[in-house]
Formats: sequence, structure tokens, C-alpha cells
Amino acid sequence: KAGVTQTPRYLIKTRGQQVTLSCSPISGHRSVSWYQQTPGQGLQFLFEYFSETQRNKGNFPGRFSGRQFSNSRSEMNVSTLELGDSALYLCASSLDRGSQETQYFGPGTRLLVL
Amino acid sequence: GQNIDQPTEMTATEGAIVQINCTYQTSGFNGLFWYQQHAGEAPTFLSYNVLDGLEEKGRFSSFLSRSKGYSYLLLKELQMKDSASYLCAVSGYSSASKIIFGSGTRLSIRP
Repeated sequence: KAGVTQTPRYLIKTRGQQVTLSCSPISGHRSVSWYQQTPGQGLQFLFEYFSETQRNKGNFPGRFSGRQFSNSRSEMNVSTLELGDSALYLCASSLDRGSQETQYFGPGTRLLVL
Repeated sequence: GQNIDQPTEMTATEGAIVQINCTYQTSGFNGLFWYQQHAGEAPTFLSYNVLDGLEEKGRFSSFLSRSKGYSYLLLKELQMKDSASYLCAVSGYSSASKIIFGSGTRLSIRP
């Protein structure tokens, strides 16, 4: 079974631009969560989607948004990029929703904002 | 509030045993995950403890004490490939809860 895939793997943007990241979960997994990972802050939860609905949200500004499609694929959008948004963005999928479910992570998208 | 603490860095010798501690204070608790993350790679699942006690899985074991808000990951017969970051994560008490990750412990193995 193929693992979680994320595209693109690397991205360079400038301040003020917007970016869309994509995540394809493991086949059959219906929950997708997004995390931001930086050296100083560790893994920070962004949001979780299940059956095309946002079920949970972390403490990030409204510039960060996401959505999930009927095939469980998910996209994350960041508008008006800031230098501090430079990070590794990880997507994780699980079979069902809920924090008790084991999550399987994708390789991440490394975003650099100049 | 919610807080997860683990050491930032640890060093150990190949063939030895190392214990990585994690303490947590969360508003709700259901279980605790350990993930391994090699540099430049995604985290991979190691263990999930719900009940108190030790769970062994090959060279890796994980311990949980719910009353003390404490867990540890024990790695035996260390190998060079065990050099990685180890992330402790707490899951909430309901399906609506999030998973909260600690900042991770970077483990370096020396020959």
C-alpha cells in the first residue's frame, strides 16, 4: 500500500505570496492532519480534516486554511506569506478520526519564504 | 494549559541502553505516542501506550505512568541508525481532541 504523499517537496516563495500544498493520504484513510515543524517550535498542529469537514484546528492565524476532497486528498493554503512561515509542513493520515488513531506521516513540504 | 517536556539532546554509545523521558501536563489524556524522526524525513510511529506499564517491542520499549504524567522510551542494543529525533505526543480524551507533540529529543549515537 502506498504511503502518504505530499507535493511539492520543496518550495521557495517571497513574502506576500500565497502557496498551496497537497497531501494524498494512504488509501482507505479518511482523516488528514496538517502540522508545521520548525527547529524552535517542534511539531505544531494546524488542522484535521475528516470526511471533507474540518474537525479540529490549532492556534494559527486565518492565513492558514485547508480543505479535503471527497477522495480524502487534502490541500493546505497559506496566504500573505511571512518569513516566519518558513518551515517543514507535514501531512499525516489515519484510518479514522480521533486523537487515538495512529498517524502516518508524509515526507513533508519544505517551504522557504524569502 | 498543555505542556510536554522532553530533553532536547542526548548522546549514547553504540551497543548501550538509553532512556528518553517525557513528562506531560494536559487538560485531557487518553494515551501517549512515541515517534522516531530521522533528519530530513517524516516521523514514523514507534508505540502507543494507553495503560500504565511497560510495552516491549523488540529493542524498543515504552513505559507509561498516568498518575505521574510520565513516560519513557527505552532503546536497547543501540545501533548507529538509531541516531534520530524521538517525539513524544499526547492524545486527548475524546475523538475531538488533538494530538500534542513535544519538541523532540535528538539522540546521537557514537561508536
